[in-house]
Amino acid sequence: GAGVSQSPRYKVAKRGQDVALRCDPISGHVSLFWYQQALGQGPEFLTYFQNEAQLDKSGLPSDRFFAERPEGSVSTLKIQRTQQEDSAVYLCASSLQLKQETQYFGPGTRLLVL
Amino acid sequence: GENVEQHPSTLSVQEGDSAVIKCTYSDSASNYFPWYKQELGKRPQLIIDIRSNVGEKKDQRIAVTLNKTAKHFSLHITETQPEDSAVYFCAAPWRGGSQGNLIFGKGTKLSVKP
Repeated sequence: GAGVSQSPRYKVAKRGQDVALRCDPISGHVSLFWYQQALGQGPEFLTYFQNEAQLDKSGLPSDRFFAERPEGSVSTLKIQRTQQEDSAVYLCASSLQLKQETQYFGPGTRLLVL
Repeated sequence: GENVEQHPSTLSVQEGDSAVIKCTYSDSASNYFPWYKQELGKRPQLIIDIRSNVGEKKDQRIAVTLNKTAKHFSLHITETQPEDSAVYFCAAPWRGGSQGNLIFGKGTKLSVKP
């Protein structure tokens, strides 16, 4: 079946621009996670959803970051007034349930802020 | 919260040799430990995981061992092949598994020389 998909795959933004990153999880997966991966580092947790409820957003680095999943399926991560330090790969993952379940990752969106 | 340390950061082996990567974690309540393989520019892919009710799990050339007393777990790859070259990440659940998101190690870059 189809895996997790993300779009766009690459995004170049000028500093100060707003960006929106989309994640399509595996159909039927209840849980959805966003991670940020800097070059040469492991993924770092940003936020996660169970259906449409955002259960934890403690990893979001600033109030410029906002995520939503209004219908419990597709999710969007929005970054307002992008800064150079926002440059990273943004990974989305989904799992069937919330706890102790395999998380399947999307290919990521590589964001470069100039 | 959970803290995951991974070593070595780089590992170079000859084709056919074994490779071992070790991780330690801090939260004794953690009970699920996945390993991901990430090739350059690709998504992390789960290669094996272990839950706290077992001490070892094997899947062909890959095995994972878990020592809950010492709070460490290891990935073992036998008969390494050039296609095993990648970055490997261990992970443990945040807050001992009461939530779904994972805390990742910093990764081990494995190079298998033909």
